[in-house]
Parts: sequence; structure tokens; C-alpha cells
Amino acid sequence: GENVEQHPSTLSVQEGDSAVIKCTYSDSASNYFPWYKQELGKRPQLIIDIRSNVGEKKDQRIAVTLNKTAKHFSLHITETQPEDSAVYFCALRSGAGSYQLTFGKGTKLSVIP
Amino acid sequence: SQTIHQWPATLVQPVGSPLSLECTVEGTSNPNLYWYRQAAGRGLQLLFYSIGIDQISSEVPQNLSASRPQDRQFILSSKKLLLSDSGFYLCAWSVRSGGAGTQYFGPGTRLTVL
Repeated sequence: GENVEQHPSTLSVQEGDSAVIKCTYSDSASNYFPWYKQELGKRPQLIIDIRSNVGEKKDQRIAVTLNKTAKHFSLHITETQPEDSAVYFCALRSGAGSYQLTFGKGTKLSVIP
Repeated sequence: SQTIHQWPATLVQPVGSPLSLECTVEGTSNPNLYWYRQAAGRGLQLLFYSIGIDQISSEVPQNLSASRPQDRQFILSSKKLLLSDSGFYLCAWSVRSGGAGTQYFGPGTRLTVL
């Protein structure tokens, strides 16, 4: 099946700085790319997503970029705050007929006050 | 709006005992349903998914099974738990067709096998 490589596995930033998490994939048929945030002990929650016909999407301090040619997509968090500390998972769907999402292994983001 | 429920929230079971975890979805019809397991500090492992009643696919061979007795109900079971079954069990749903594939997770069940 499709594989998603997520980097880095851990990331520490000072409050107010930006954080970037990158995921790479191999299947060019992948057409949907969501990002989930999981706080300690809680469920993963969708924070932003992008479809393959769009290159960038932004929602306040969070943005996702997609480079279909290079087969990678990234989560950008600007002006980080302590409440951004969590584990972030990228995911993708391999084609319109797929029922599954393939998840990355997660990035633990720590925002230092 | 759609809501997904899981119970119990926490469970402590002895090795060799049976297991039944339940997931129900409200506010939507004909959802795709999923069971994931998350070991402590680890990623999401897909266990089962279902695109309809009596249509269940297993992703990982193990001592777990899944059933879907009703359209919006998904049950995860085991006849005999192993220590390695400990983890955070998450149910998720997505739109059956026409959607992007977004999955929405339930609150989870934290299972400890002793």
C-alpha cells in the first residue's frame, strides 16, 4: 500500500516562532491530504486539509502546501502558542476509489513559552 | 450535525478475558466505519473498516474481530485478550460516497490488559 514519510518526528520551537512539518508520498494518484492534531489523551482532530487540485490552503495561523510534482505536502504553523503543543499526523487518500487514509507516524510538537 | 460515540471510555481487563467495544454514529446515514488502535506514544494502526453492513475488511491478522449489526453501529471484539492488545482504540467514520475521505474520530477507549 501507499507509504507516507513524516518528518521530523519531534520538533521544539519557541513561542511565537513558526513550525513546519513535511510529509512525502509516492503514489501520484493520491488526491486528498488532511492533517490531524492529537492532544495528549484525546482523539485526533482534523485541523486542515487540501485536495490535489489546490496548491495551498490557509486557515488563520495554519496553512498546508502541496507540491504534486515533488510528491510532498507540508503543514505550516505561524506564531506558535503553547496550546499548539500536540502530536500532528499527516494523512492521504490514494485515489477517489479508496476508502482508507494512510497516516504518517506523527510529529510531536513542543512549543516552549 | 454528526456525532460519534464510543464506550466504555476506559477498561481494565485481565489477560484471556473477552472484549467488546462499541461505536455508534449519529446524524448521518450509510457511513464508512473504521477501527484503529494506537499504542502508547505511537501512530494509528488501522484494524478494520466497513463500507456497509456485513462488509468488513480486516487489515491486520490478530485475535480481534469486528461486526456491524446496524448501519451506524460498529463493534470490536475479542474472545481472549493478550497483553499486546493494550492501547487506545479509536473508532472513526467518513461519508460513504461523494466525500473527500475525511475521517472523524470518536473519543476513544483506553484499554489496559493486565
